[in-house]
Amino acid sequence: EAGVVQSPRYKIIEKKQPVAFWCNPISGHNTLYWYLQNLGQGPELLIRYENEEAVDDSQLPKDRFSAERLKGVDSTLKIQPAELGDSAVYLCASSLDGTGFDTQYFGPGTRLTVL
Amino acid sequence: AQKITQTQPGMFVQEKEAVTLDCTYDTSDPSYGLFWYKQPSSGEMIFLIYQGSYDQQNATEGRYSLNFQKARKSANLVISASQLGDSAMYFCAMIVTGGGNKLTFGTGTQLKVEL
Repeated sequence: EAGVVQSPRYKIIEKKQPVAFWCNPISGHNTLYWYLQNLGQGPELLIRYENEEAVDDSQLPKDRFSAERLKGVDSTLKIQPAELGDSAVYLCASSLDGTGFDTQYFGPGTRLTVL
Repeated sequence: AQKITQTQPGMFVQEKEAVTLDCTYDTSDPSYGLFWYKQPSSGEMIFLIYQGSYDQQNATEGRYSLNFQKARKSANLVISASQLGDSAMYFCAMIVTGGGNKLTFGTGTQLKVEL
């Protein structure tokens, strides 16, 4: 069974440019998460989707970040405009559903460098 | 709010030896789940083992076992018979009931297995 797929794996952009990350969850997983991992830290949740509904976006900086999960499968996370402090790894995860203590399975992440 | 503390920024172990990675947690919620993930240099977070707060026995998965001491609020990961491929960053994480299935991570422990 295929795992969580993310692309691109690496992205280098100039500050103030837009950038987008794509995630395809494990087949049949209804819940999708985007996490931000700064260097030397554990991941922190940005947004959680149950199917196509964003049920927790309290940690998403909405002035520059946006996300969507059309049709409840693939998801895209966008930053516009990017700032130097956005350099980090963006991890996507999925789980069967959002109930109980559901194990989350992570993709390889996208490493963003903003110059 | 819940918190995970990993006090060992780095650990060394010789191949074939056992190693214990420490994790303490803090939550007022009586129902929670504890997870360990491995993150090699490639970046992907790999799920290793899960322990529920009401589980009577310590969790085991192959060479991984979780030493769960509820009264001390600790959930240490034990890796037996270390292999060179075990060299990676290890994260302890927690989910609590009503926490929206959000994983709260510690800062991680970098494990290096030596010959």
